[in-house]
Amino acid sequence: DIQMTQSPSSLSASVGDRVTITCQASQDISNYLNWYQQKPGKAPKLLIYDASNLETGVPSRFSGSGSGTDFTFTISSLQPEDIATYYCQQYDNLPRTFGQGTKVEIK
Amino acid sequence: EVQLVESGGGLVKPGGSLRLSCAASGFTFSSYSMNWVRQAPGKGLEWVSSISSSSSYIYYADSVKGRFTISRDNAKNSLYLQMNSLRAEDTAVYYCAREAQFDYWGQGTLVTVSS
Repeated sequence: DIQMTQSPSSLSASVGDRVTITCQASQDISNYLNWYQQKPGKAPKLLIYDASNLETGVPSRFSGSGSGTDFTFTISSLQPEDIATYYCQQYDNLPRTFGQGTKVEIK
Repeated sequence: EVQLVESGGGLVKPGGSLRLSCAASGFTFSSYSMNWVRQAPGKGLEWVSSISSSSSYIYYADSVKGRFTISRDNAKNSLYLQMNSLRAEDTAVYYCAREAQFDYWGQGTLVTVSS
């Protein structure tokens, strides 16, 4: 199974800050990586697919980069509505595996 | 508008069975593979099972293999998960999600396994 190591597990930042989350795959997954946002009590929402493509309707302050084993998710200017848990997920191989999640809070 | 609506969750005793359903609308259901993903209370996301558009290919996580069965009825635009021999560790919110990219998710249905 491909292990997805996501860090940090949580972070606290101020409104307007740049926030970065990393995700490392245990083997090469090319660009078969998604990033999701999950707010409490809600289903995950796809933000980024194929590592760097912004899903339709998602604000441009969200971005993703990377390929192979190392990936980065960035919020360029943190907004109060971005408070959520963010997950990476690989879909190169079965079983599909998720990172452990990063809880983002406002300082 | 793409919609996925899960149903069938509830409280069941260990060793019991439950059948979850996912009703799809707003897209050509028969053209897409589908997935089940679960999330235990306060925990992360765990992929459970996937089924191809024509049911030709079916996959399970090791944790549910032999106990859960995924199926679909393209005429009814519906996805199912038959869960047998349920254990306490199967307690979770179960989501259905569309396609290999998991681009749309339902709101989830809670399954609680407890005596």
